[in-house]
Amino acid sequence: KNQVEQSPQSLIILEGKNCTLQCNYTVSPFSNLRWYKQDTGRGPVSLTIMTFSENTKSNGRYTATLDADTKQSSLHITASQLSDSASYICVVSDNAGNNRKLIWGLGTSLGVNP
Amino acid sequence: DADVTQTPRNRITKTGKRIMLECSQTKGHDRMYWYRQDPGLGLRLIYYSFDVKDINKGEISDGYSVSRQAQAKFSLSLESAIPNQTALYFCATRGGSTDTQYFGPGTRLTVL
Repeated sequence: KNQVEQSPQSLIILEGKNCTLQCNYTVSPFSNLRWYKQDTGRGPVSLTIMTFSENTKSNGRYTATLDADTKQSSLHITASQLSDSASYICVVSDNAGNNRKLIWGLGTSLGVNP
Repeated sequence: DADVTQTPRNRITKTGKRIMLECSQTKGHDRMYWYRQDPGLGLRLIYYSFDVKDINKGEISDGYSVSRQAQAKFSLSLESAIPNQTALYFCATRGGSTDTQYFGPGTRLTVL
């Protein structure tokens, strides 16, 4: 069964600190993996997308890594800011032709405190 | 202006009422989606459409129906609302060079 699991479920850090969020998946065949940021009460916004051949992708203070062999991804946030408080969701797309499906993780809720 | 808009943003209704949630997009994408989000359950797909003539059920379509009036418009209806349909509803499009989904701001629906 195609699944996406994220850890930790929630995390609280102090402003200025770094953190790393994890995503493990069992989706096959694999097409790509995305990280989304969702602010409370708002729609998710795409942060990064990585295909099978990409190991890392950065977007400002956000850096995502992908290990397609172990089917793991991480999202590293550097020098956190209060505005980073949000849910971070890992989404994996299979490679089943034109009807590619998106399998959503449950997200990691990040709180950044002053 | 937002690329994906949803109306209404908030709605409180009673059990048994018919409700329509509307979604419009200016991104020019053919693919559109309706999701609901509940605490602890993440996003779940209700219906999706690859073009005006192509409508598909998602994982939780029971109790919902949709209409794709044009490429830019995709509506979600609850024919007879029930309390467990209380949730945050999101519309999304999908397309572009990175095949990314773009979400609307959400509609918070409460069924009493």
